[in-house]
Amino acid sequence: DAKTTQPPSMDCAEGRAANLPCNHSTISGNEYVYWYRQIHSQGPQYIIHGLKNNETNEMASLIITEDRKSSTLILPHATLRDTAVYYCIVRVDRNQGAQKLVFGQGTRLTINP
Amino acid sequence: NAGVTQTPKFRVLKTGQSMTLLCAQDMNHEYMYWYRQDPGMGLRLIHYSVGEGTTAKGEVPDGYNVSRLKKQNFLLGLESAAPSQTSVYFCASSYAPGRMNTEAFFGQGTRLTVV
Repeated sequence: DAKTTQPPSMDCAEGRAANLPCNHSTISGNEYVYWYRQIHSQGPQYIIHGLKNNETNEMASLIITEDRKSSTLILPHATLRDTAVYYCIVRVDRNQGAQKLVFGQGTRLTINP
Repeated sequence: NAGVTQTPKFRVLKTGQSMTLLCAQDMNHEYMYWYRQDPGMGLRLIHYSVGEGTTAKGEVPDGYNVSRLKKQNFLLGLESAAPSQTSVYFCASSYAPGRMNTEAFFGQGTRLTVV
């Protein structure tokens, strides 16, 4: 699976949009971009994933560049509860395959009041 | 619906002791996983299972054994604990037949200290 690069830390004001970047320049055509987050040493929580189109769900939006070499996770109205470590993971989305996730060090996002 | 449950939540072992970590899921998931997380690091896959009676090695399997005798349970064993195995252990599961294999669900972790 392709390697990802994320900034180690970011800050965002409460109520503003948090934009978390991820570089995955070696991504293959059949690899998806996944985002998970880990709040205060709890188990990671799935947020969203996508292949090449932008995706949105109740938690966040995922913007993937046209060349698919980078992506941005957007939390539209960040709250204090969004303070967490965010992991960008690239993997092949085999519907019958195990979710063997490769976690980097992620981005520690701090939401400030 | 409890999701993924790990027991125990905390444990202190002496070097050389053995123990088993239990993971139980109630979502009828086919796949289960054990990860470890060291301070300031991301999670690393130890072992995983794609079905009852099957197991496979992950990224860091040495020093651990696993068993999946029942679909809902995945056990992680340490035969002779070492200080290097001090870590937080997370269990996860994914993929119920008939549903999309989109995400993994994680337990709350077991904090293990080996002294």
